[in-house]
Amino acid sequence: DAGVTQSPTHLIKTRGQQVTLRCSPKSGHDTVSWYQQALGQGPQFIFQYYEEEERQRGNFPDRFSGHQFPNYSSELNVNALLLGDSALYLCASSPGRGTNLGDTEAFFGQGTRLTVV
Amino acid sequence: RKEVEQDPGPFNVPEGATVAFNCTYSNSASQSFFWYRQDCRKEPKLLMSVYSSGNEDGRFTAQLNRASQYISLLIRDSKLSDSATYLCVVGRRNYGQNFVFGPGTRLSVLP
Repeated sequence: DAGVTQSPTHLIKTRGQQVTLRCSPKSGHDTVSWYQQALGQGPQFIFQYYEEEERQRGNFPDRFSGHQFPNYSSELNVNALLLGDSALYLCASSPGRGTNLGDTEAFFGQGTRLTVV
Repeated sequence: RKEVEQDPGPFNVPEGATVAFNCTYSNSASQSFFWYRQDCRKEPKLLMSVYSSGNEDGRFTAQLNRASQYISLLIRDSKLSDSATYLCVVGRRNYGQNFVFGPGTRLSVLP
């Protein structure tokens, strides 16, 4: 059973560019959350997707957008990259349907390390 | 004030020591509680869930005090392999955002 997979693992972009990160959730999970983790800090919630819709969003600007596909995989898009967007981007999946959402653990992918130069 | 706060760390302890991590959360609607472990440049992984009755897993003991909105993690007989960052995580039911992470406390177990 494959866990959460993310691609690419590392990425270097230039300021002003756009980037797309991808995530495939753990088998049986239909909810995908994205987090940004800057060096030395805990992960910060970006947004969560369920049934192909953004269900909740953290304090991130509109430059951060996402999408969920019918197979539950998800993309995170960041436009007009800033140096401050350099971070580890983590995708977490959890079962959302029919559960008390806060009761189940989240499984994380290995992350995509984005460097903006 | 951050929603989840932890000891600032880092903690540097000798092998065999007992070390305690503290965490407080501000949102009384929080319903579930976890400790995650994160190794350097890796993704967070669940260490243990935390229940009001307290729970123990080998050398690790977690406690929750809902009245004080306080969570703790105790590691006994620490090993070199315990060196990592420990993240306190709270979950909120019926919210889109399931999990709120603390900033983490880094532990280095020294030989």
